[in-house]
Amino acid sequence: ELKVEQNPLFLSMQEGKNYTIYCNYSTTSDRLYWYRQDPGKSLESLFVLLSNGAVKQEGRLMASLDTKARLSTLHITAAVHDLSATYFCAVDSMEYGNKLVFGAGTILRVKS
Amino acid sequence: EPEVTQTPSHQVTQMGQEVILRCVPISNHLYFYWYRQILGQKVEFLVSFYNNEISEKSEIFDDQFSVERPDGSNFTLKIRSTKLEDSAMYFCASSDLPVPRVNEQFFGPGTRLTVL
Repeated sequence: ELKVEQNPLFLSMQEGKNYTIYCNYSTTSDRLYWYRQDPGKSLESLFVLLSNGAVKQEGRLMASLDTKARLSTLHITAAVHDLSATYFCAVDSMEYGNKLVFGAGTILRVKS
Repeated sequence: EPEVTQTPSHQVTQMGQEVILRCVPISNHLYFYWYRQILGQKVEFLVSFYNNEISEKSEIFDDQFSVERPDGSNFTLKIRSTKLEDSAMYFCASSDLPVPRVNEQFFGPGTRLTVL
């Protein structure tokens, strides 16, 4: 069974601070996806990481993938209130078909 | 920008009733999915669909569930006899390439199903 674990599950941080969300997964896969979800809304694709060592950045968010460690990180730099949302990582693998297996999500609250 | 659409946005039904949730995937996408998210929990895979047939389904997707692509644009999820535990947000997603190529899935806005 493909398992995806995120931590922390809840993160409350002050504006201007930095923090990292971690995503571990249980199978060999070189593809990982990060999504953002606002309350009551759908999932918005943030990053697609397709190889070991992949790093992508968009604004104050930077995602990286280490396939050897089966670990992805989502780093938040100088957080602002607008980043408050739930962040999910998801993994797929040829071994498990086309489905995305999601982590539990990290609820991020940025306090001003 | 192309997007996945879903109707209705909210469906309230009585236990034991049938519901049909509708989705219009992005037009050039070939792979379609249903996921669900029980309130406050993670997103769970239900079923994937390609070339007019189910490619994969989860344990959740039992005989009460079915999917169909009745025409060239719609993709539906039917729950034949709803149970209280079917109350959740149901997301439709689509992608244009499967594993091992890029499988970026685009999600619709969701249908909130409430079973009373």
